[in-house]
Amino acid sequence: GAGVSQSPSNKVTEKGKDVELRCDPISGHTALYWYRQRLGQGLEFLIYFQGNSAPDKSGLPSDRFSAERTGESVSTLTIQRTQQEDSAVYLCASSSLSIGEAFFGQGTRLTVV
Amino acid sequence: AQKITQTQPGMFVQEKEAVTLDCTYDTSDPSYGLFWYKQPSSGEMIFLIYQGSYDQQNATEGRYSLNFQKARKSANLVISASQLGDSAMYFCAMREGLLRGKLIFGQGTELSVKP
Repeated sequence: GAGVSQSPSNKVTEKGKDVELRCDPISGHTALYWYRQRLGQGLEFLIYFQGNSAPDKSGLPSDRFSAERTGESVSTLTIQRTQQEDSAVYLCASSSLSIGEAFFGQGTRLTVV
Repeated sequence: AQKITQTQPGMFVQEKEAVTLDCTYDTSDPSYGLFWYKQPSSGEMIFLIYQGSYDQQNATEGRYSLNFQKARKSANLVISASQLGDSAMYFCAMREGLLRGKLIFGQGTELSVKP
């Protein structure tokens, strides 16, 4: 596609439920990043995928968070047993090896009630 | 471990004046890239400018320039001739490795441009 696409754009879920957030990167981009941005805060790194290499999971805050990516295509961020502190905007970005900057999606606003 | 710091939570500037947003970084990797992004109230992340650690000259993109001082590990963003539309959050970011590696962001600076 023309840009990074994230779905859903908004998600309201009950505490304790699992949620899946989807990111469709720009075609041909080998790198994919997930970030969490709480209200009024900066971007908190969660996970980084680069091609078929093992992902850098160093930013995942707990074992309730996981992410998958098949090859250089779609990625899914899963949050299990959601908590109120998981409420945030989750941003996905992708980049290529020829152009270093990351292009961002519009984000998924997650609200846990 | 890589680290990026923005010490100015908020800045004000008069329309048409220049403003400098501070960013310092820490890394032991000689190869790295530095980025600035703008986030308006709409929430989108807009790429502004990039500086590679081996670049000899400061990067410029229109009204944006990056004041890269390698020895001091600083990568300040200079916006010339500020416009009302420049009011936004600005984030500095770093990648260890020029094209590969995770991208880490600072906490951001909120810029307000006064008419």
